[in-house]
Amino acid sequence: QKEVEQDPGPLSVPEGAIVSLNCTYSNSAFQYFMWYRQYSRKGPELLMYTYSSGNKEDGRFTAQVDKSSKYISLFIRDSQPSDSATYLCAMSADGGTSYGKLTFGQGTILTVHP
Amino acid sequence: DTEVTQTPKHLVMGMTNKKSLKCEQHMGHRAMYWYKQKAKKPPELMFVYSYEKLSINESVPSRFSPECPNSSLLNLHLHALQPEDSALYLCASSLVIQNSYEQYFGPGTRLTVT
Repeated sequence: QKEVEQDPGPLSVPEGAIVSLNCTYSNSAFQYFMWYRQYSRKGPELLMYTYSSGNKEDGRFTAQVDKSSKYISLFIRDSQPSDSATYLCAMSADGGTSYGKLTFGQGTILTVHP
Repeated sequence: DTEVTQTPKHLVMGMTNKKSLKCEQHMGHRAMYWYKQKAKKPPELMFVYSYEKLSINESVPSRFSPECPNSSLLNLHLHALQPEDSALYLCASSLVIQNSYEQYFGPGTRLTVT
């Protein structure tokens, strides 16, 4: 079993829809939870990170972390065709030999069609 | 400015060639990372430099040789590569290694080994 599981999709939604992307994990030491967006043939772009449990909002994006369920989500409101990309979740533990290491999910391919 | 630059954008090399990839950032970050990413897969960590010293080597073959000449610059020297080394090579940086949850990626160098 992988430490981080992410449904690769693909996920196709109409413009304006609310998109929900999710990851589950097994390592209870993870404390930081990140979402990256990667356009085709480009480097990943950090959308947001969250420490421990809770919600974080940035514009149309909301990240949620439920450590009790080992489940994280990214919601995209009013999705646009420009949101079409691969979304990667990533996680890291805090301290010692964990510094510097991110564990990525496999990425979900999202297409928003006009 | 959260820009990490990488050169060249594309590189084709034979198995007997020696080439180098270059990464630069001017954000004052003191942790820099090399990743390898194959198609439809998440990035895989190769090396981490912290304050210009190699901090993490993820058992990468010696045909890949990293170098950090100063706090803004990171190189990856390539020698005697194999076709399976063809991939997108990504550089990233964070303020310090303890802030690896907030990494900024460059656009990558797409490497083809013939």
